[in-house]
Amino acid sequence: DAGVIQSPRHEVTEMGQEVTLRCKPISGHNSLFWYRQTMMRGLELLIYFNNNVPIDDSGMPEDRFSAKMPNASFSTLKIQPSEPRDSAVYFCASSFPLPGPGELFFGEGSRLTVL
Amino acid sequence: DAKTTQPTSMDCAEGRAANLPCNHSTISGNEYVYWYRQIHSQGPQYIIHGLKNNETNEMASLIITEDRKSSTLILPHATLRDTAVYYCIVRASFGNEKLTFGTGTRLTIIP
Repeated sequence: DAGVIQSPRHEVTEMGQEVTLRCKPISGHNSLFWYRQTMMRGLELLIYFNNNVPIDDSGMPEDRFSAKMPNASFSTLKIQPSEPRDSAVYFCASSFPLPGPGELFFGEGSRLTVL
Repeated sequence: DAKTTQPTSMDCAEGRAANLPCNHSTISGNEYVYWYRQIHSQGPQYIIHGLKNNETNEMASLIITEDRKSSTLILPHATLRDTAVYYCIVRASFGNEKLTFGTGTRLTIIP
């Protein structure tokens, strides 16, 4: 049984380029979360979806960031244009249907370096 | 507005029990206590959660005080693979589904 799958695992790009990170949640999970981790700020929640609908995007840094979930098995996080300060590890996580307590299952992360 | 307070770092000898404390003095009645850990370069991993009763699973035990203002995560026989950052999080059981990570405790298992 595959866990949360993220791609790419590593991405190096130049400032100004568009970056797309992808996530496949665990089958049957209906909540999906995007987190960003840096040394300075730790783990930050960017956005989360319930049943493919964005519920809270208050953590999205600015308009350069956008996230979509076109169906229950796929989500993207896009940065356009990218900047060096976007360099971080981006994690996707999914969970079983809520309400009620639910544990999050995290992917291995996508390490982004913007030069 | 941190909901939990944890020591920044701890050491524990291999084979001994690791006891990681967490203070959550403002926890409300519908909030659970969750523990996650993050091993270097990996995504966070769920360990255990509880509401008011003590809980145990194959990974750890969670002891919650009667007033629910603090808890302790116990790794009964720590191994080198338990070296990680451990996060204590309080989260409502419904409504707000966000899981907000603090800075955690960096646990180092000493051979």
